[in-house]
Amino acid sequence: AQSVSQHNHHVILSEAASLELGCNYSYGGTVNLFWYVQYPGQHLQLLLKYFSGDPLVKGIKGFEAEFIKSKFSFNLRKPSVQWSDTAEYFCAVNAYSGNTPLVFGKGTRLSVIA
Amino acid sequence: DGGITQSPKYLFRKEGQNVTLSCEQNLNHDAMYWYRQDPGQGLRLIYYSQIVNDFQKGDIAEGYSVSREKKESFPLTVTSAQKNPTAFYLCASSIGGGARNEQFFGPGTRLTVL
Repeated sequence: AQSVSQHNHHVILSEAASLELGCNYSYGGTVNLFWYVQYPGQHLQLLLKYFSGDPLVKGIKGFEAEFIKSKFSFNLRKPSVQWSDTAEYFCAVNAYSGNTPLVFGKGTRLSVIA
Repeated sequence: DGGITQSPKYLFRKEGQNVTLSCEQNLNHDAMYWYRQDPGQGLRLIYYSQIVNDFQKGDIAEGYSVSREKKESFPLTVTSAQKNPTAFYLCASSIGGGARNEQFFGPGTRLTVL
């Protein structure tokens, strides 16, 4: 069975600082990887996803993530955060094929201060 | 306006009572999901359904029940057997149950059992 670890529970950054949120997964086979974001008072929404190909994927709002297979990692990055990036971020994984549901990490709360 | 609706937004119940949470989607999606979100725990899968009249248990199905009689509806019943029912409940849907299909989330229902 898959599992996902997000090591940072709460991250506090100043505006314009760079962001990197860690995500590591545990699974013996090929996986699909996702980052979801939950802004305060809003629905959970997809930020970006990786299935195959270029391990560096770009998502909405300037976010990107890099899949490093050897490290079982899919870290989320943004060069310069804004106050509006304050949200909770969830990494999720499922098996590459078939109909297996997503397994989510526990989430990282990001607070961006002016 | 397509999307997923969950009602009510806040729900209060007395201990020992069953309660049913509503989830409706007009996206014509085949697959629907129920998650429970607790602070610091991320999203945990309760039940999912990939097609009408079929559903599977997720990781924390004990104390919950579901039905899928219509494509657009996937109600969740929190029974008195659920030991710690106070939580935020999220419903999601995807076009199919395939591993690469993006899940779309509803606004959630916050259940408080007194």
